[in-house]
Amino acid sequence: QVQLQESGPGLVKPSQTLSLTCSVSGASIGSGGYYWTWIRQHPGKGLELIGYIFYIGNTYYNPSLKNRLTILADTFNNEFSLKLTSVTAADSAAYYCATMTTSVYIDHWGQGTLVSVSS
Amino acid sequence: DIQMTQSPSSVSASVGDRVTITCRASQTVYTALAWYQQKPGEAPKLLIYAASTLQTGVPSRFSGSGSGTDFTLTISRLQAADSATYFCQQGDRFPPTFGHGTTVEVK
Repeated sequence: QVQLQESGPGLVKPSQTLSLTCSVSGASIGSGGYYWTWIRQHPGKGLELIGYIFYIGNTYYNPSLKNRLTILADTFNNEFSLKLTSVTAADSAAYYCATMTTSVYIDHWGQGTLVSVSS
Repeated sequence: DIQMTQSPSSVSASVGDRVTITCRASQTVYTALAWYQQKPGEAPKLLIYAASTLQTGVPSRFSGSGSGTDFTLTISRLQAADSATYFCQQGDRFPPTFGHGTTVEVK
């Protein structure tokens, strides 16, 4: 059973960098088969795909975040990460890491981590 | 990107009722359609994929149908535990996109 756990600060100051890590168990990031995905949800709103990494080097970034976003995979520690620079209050949201299958549905989710951008 | 439109945005029904939620895609997604359930404070949970395939462990009162641009999620006999927000998501074209959600309230 794949399990995912997000970690990172719950509070980030405006203009700083948000860094989150997703620890994975029950599957190997380096083995393919999944898109290792980040999704966020603003309070009371819908789901927004942030981006994903696939086969380590292949990434997709939401165009609205592309200039500020980096998603990396660490096969040694079996985790993947998100870095979002120059954050503003609009980046305050619940952030989820997830596994998206090659059939493009999301079958495992982390519990989510709430991030607030505030001075 | 493919736009996904759900209706209604919210519905209130009684235990035992049949509830139907619709999802319309801005272009055909064939049967590449998933449904998720999200309860307050929790992560979404996959209910249905490939438009009509029930994820393991999901109660049989949930069903999905449709193809092309029009899809439905049906809860045949609503239970109190079904109080949640439901999202559809298309997986035919990258990037995958979500509907805005339908909140189901159990009276």
